[in-house]
Amino acid sequence: GESVGLHLPTLSVQEGDNSIINCAYSNSASDYFIWYKQESGKGPQFIIDIRSNMDKRQGQRVTVLLNKTVKHLSLQIAATQPGDSAVYFCAEISNDYKLSFGAGTTVTVRA
Amino acid sequence: DAGVTQSPTHLIKTRGQQVTLRCSPKSGHDTVSWYQQALGQGPQFIFQYYEEEERQRGNFPDRFSGHQFPNYSSELNVNALLLGDSALYLCASSLGQGPGNQPQHFGDGTRLSIL
Repeated sequence: GESVGLHLPTLSVQEGDNSIINCAYSNSASDYFIWYKQESGKGPQFIIDIRSNMDKRQGQRVTVLLNKTVKHLSLQIAATQPGDSAVYFCAEISNDYKLSFGAGTTVTVRA
Repeated sequence: DAGVTQSPTHLIKTRGQQVTLRCSPKSGHDTVSWYQQALGQGPQFIFQYYEEEERQRGNFPDRFSGHQFPNYSSELNVNALLLGDSALYLCASSLGQGPGNQPQHFGDGTRLSIL
């Protein structure tokens, strides 16, 4: 089975609210994690990354949290906007250099 | 600064045929990876090219092969096409082969349909 997965396939959020997208991974050797956003008809777009020696990293309106104890990763989007509607993937890289994706969470922003 | 470009954007083939997809990496990148994304799924790693050699390979049959040129561009070849090969094929580039050196930047893919 997949080593990276998301807890929920879909997420509906009101515009202006905060979004939290969760991801579980199973490979304890993974040392680098990335969140990607994929809009319809487009390739995955890098959002933010985090290394295994960090617990939290913040970007513009986004925060990634890593809990290595329970192998859990989350992406928080502040003040969600209509342009945030997309499929979000977490991905991990272990020491074999392969990027492994989960199945994705579809985020829909309600006006 | 051009990002990752892929061609063609769409392609229709029939079972048993062969196909070649092309990718130009983002300027300054030297490593190219290929992924297959079935409808409703996450991308699946096919293989990675660095210094014109296949360095890593995912769980794909030998029908899938590739090449990297001295200018770092790459091709993905698929022989004896099956209906199940219908998917979006994504190319990603990065600087350096090592994990975490740079996040991979993706192109918008080639949509391959097998009839």
